[in-house]
Amino acid sequence: DTGVSQNPRHKITKRGQNVTFRCDPISEHNRLYWYRQTLGQGPEFLTYFQNEAQLEKSRLLSDRFSAERPKGSFSTLEIQRTEQGDSAMYLCASSQRGDRGTYEQYFGPGTRLTVT
Amino acid sequence: TQLLEQSPQFLSIQEGENLTVYCNSSSVFSSLQWYRQEPGEGPVLLVTVVTGGEVKKLKRLTFQFGDARKDSSLHITAAQPGDTGLYLCEGQAGTALIFGKGTTLSVSS
Repeated sequence: DTGVSQNPRHKITKRGQNVTFRCDPISEHNRLYWYRQTLGQGPEFLTYFQNEAQLEKSRLLSDRFSAERPKGSFSTLEIQRTEQGDSAMYLCASSQRGDRGTYEQYFGPGTRLTVT
Repeated sequence: TQLLEQSPQFLSIQEGENLTVYCNSSSVFSSLQWYRQEPGEGPVLLVTVVTGGEVKKLKRLTFQFGDARKDSSLHITAAQPGDTGLYLCEGQAGTALIFGKGTTLSVSS
């Protein structure tokens, strides 16, 4: 098991461009989450999938953001018409139901987005 | 709005000292996780607590979930420079997942 991977690790883009990030979860995990984290803050929940179904979206996820998990495996997060305020670390996590009924999340290393 | 308040926000101590960080909320959580995060990396899960009053130990780290499942604490005994990092708590209530802002710990030798 190689853990959760995210690509790219860093992305610099100009305001107004579209960007797409990829997350490959731990293979047997059925849940996949996206978070955004800015400096000095804890991660903010964006959305999560159970298998291929997107079950919840945060109000933070404006219509410029879209996430997919087409076959219940990897996921992509796309940001259209990027703004400087989108600069942040984008974290992906995956989980499966544990024996105590909890979903313990395992995080990837994140994608650092800088919008200039 | 559910919030998780972590305190202190920053902590700078010498090697060998003990410390406690707190995670408090007015909401009840079905479970609470603690993570440690290093700069430029994702959070790493340390422990999950589920039952009110539960205490879990991980080497020099002791985690406690409050009886009412609204708060939690992390106690580190004899801190070492390798303990340096951002400590985050996360509460789960139904489908809601809420992180605190974290406690930045710096341990100097």
